[in-house]
Amino acid sequence: ELKVEQNPLFLSMQEGKNYTIYCNYSTTSDRLYWYRQDPGKSLESLFVLLSNGAVKQEGRLMASLDTKARLSTLHITAAVHDLSATYFCAVVPYGGSQGNLIFGKGTKLSVKP
Amino acid sequence: DGGITQSPKYLFRKEGQNVTLSCEQNLNHDAMYWYRQDPGQGLRLIYYSQIVNDFQKGDIAEGYSVSREKKESFPLTVTSAQKNPTAFYLCASTGRMLNEKLFFGSGTQLSVL
Repeated sequence: ELKVEQNPLFLSMQEGKNYTIYCNYSTTSDRLYWYRQDPGKSLESLFVLLSNGAVKQEGRLMASLDTKARLSTLHITAAVHDLSATYFCAVVPYGGSQGNLIFGKGTKLSVKP
Repeated sequence: DGGITQSPKYLFRKEGQNVTLSCEQNLNHDAMYWYRQDPGQGLRLIYYSQIVNDFQKGDIAEGYSVSREKKESFPLTVTSAQKNPTAFYLCASTGRMLNEKLFFGSGTQLSVL
C-alpha cells in the first residue's frame, strides 16, 4: 500500500526567509503532484513532476523529484504572506490512473511579517 | 469559461436520508473523480470513472454511490449507510495525457443535522 508522508505538518515562517517542505512516499511511483489549498477552498495545481531529477519553478516555489529516494521537495524562497496556505503532495501508484492520487496530510504554512 | 461546477456549496443531511452532490464539467475530460477531505487531512478517493457508463471504487467507497450517464456529469450520492458523512467533498477531472493536471471543483461541505 502506497503511503505519502509530508513534513513538517505545520510551518510558521517569517517573510523573506527560505524553507523546504518534504514529501516521502513508500512505493514506486511515476507521477507526483503538488497542490495548494486556501482555507475552505478547492485545490490549485502547482506542479506535476514526471521523471527522476525533474525540477519545476514558478515564482518563489520550486519543486523537485528524486524517484530513487522516493522524495520530493517544495522549496520556498523569500517567503511572502500571500504564500500562506496548506500545501499537499500527492502520488499516483506506479501504473495507476492519474486521478487515483494518494495524498499526504498537508503542510499548513503561515508566513508572518 | 471551461471548468468544473459543484453544487450545492453547502448541504445538510438528516439521519437516514440520502443526498446527492452534483458535479458537472465542460472541459471534455473523460475521467472524473470524487474525493473526500476531513479537517486537517489529505484527500481520499471515493469513486472514479474513466469513461461513460463505467466507474470503479476508490479507497473509501462504502456508503456512497455514483453514476456516469453523461461525459459531463458525475453525481455522488451519500447514502444513509455512510455513518460519518460530514466532510468536504471535491470533484475532479482530467484528460488522457500523462502530464495533464487534475482540475478540481470548488467543493461541497456536507454536514449532518
